[in-house]
Amino acid sequence: GAGVSQSPSNKVTEKGKDVELRCDPISGHTALYWYRQSLGQGLEFLIYFQGNSAPDKSGLPSDRFSAERTGGSVSTLTIQRTQQEDSAVYLCASSLGLSATNKETQYFGPGTRLLVL
Amino acid sequence: ELKVEQNPLFLSMQEGKNYTIYCNYSTTSDRLYWYRQDPGKSLESLFVLLSNGAVKQEGRLMASLDTKARLSTLHITAAVHDLSATYFCAVGWLGGADGLTFGKGTHLIIQP
Repeated sequence: GAGVSQSPSNKVTEKGKDVELRCDPISGHTALYWYRQSLGQGLEFLIYFQGNSAPDKSGLPSDRFSAERTGGSVSTLTIQRTQQEDSAVYLCASSLGLSATNKETQYFGPGTRLLVL
Repeated sequence: ELKVEQNPLFLSMQEGKNYTIYCNYSTTSDRLYWYRQDPGKSLESLFVLLSNGAVKQEGRLMASLDTKARLSTLHITAAVHDLSATYFCAVGWLGGADGLTFGKGTHLIIQP
């Protein structure tokens, strides 16, 4: 079946502009995660959704970052007033979310490579 | 704060040799994952380890978990060039359902 998909695959933007990144999880997966990967910081957890709600927003690096999920499926990560330090690969993952602690495998999408000039 | 340390961070080895990558974590956890990442690609799940003493094997890779020592190992047997990649371990908070904390990754090069 189809895996996690993300769009766009690449995004170049100017400092100060807003960007939206989209994630389509595997069908039927109720848990959805956003991570980012950069050379300096490695892989960092950003935010987690169970259904449409986000019980854990602790990983969002600043209030310029926000995310939403509608219909328990597609999620959008928005970065406002982008800065050069936001340049990274933004990865989305999903899992079944059946257990209370989501111990199932997280399946990752191909990522969106964001470059802020 | 949950910290995950992998070592080595870089490993160059010859085909046919055996080696082990180590993953230590700082607080009690009930789930540990190993992922593989090829250059320019996303993360591919290798193993999920959920209990003390868990051992899983797939081909030339074998992963184990010691929750008391807070240590997981990824053992490579008779390495082949196709196993060249970056390997990450990732750990979740005990009883938590949120995101994973990743190690910095082990960049593995296997030379013919």
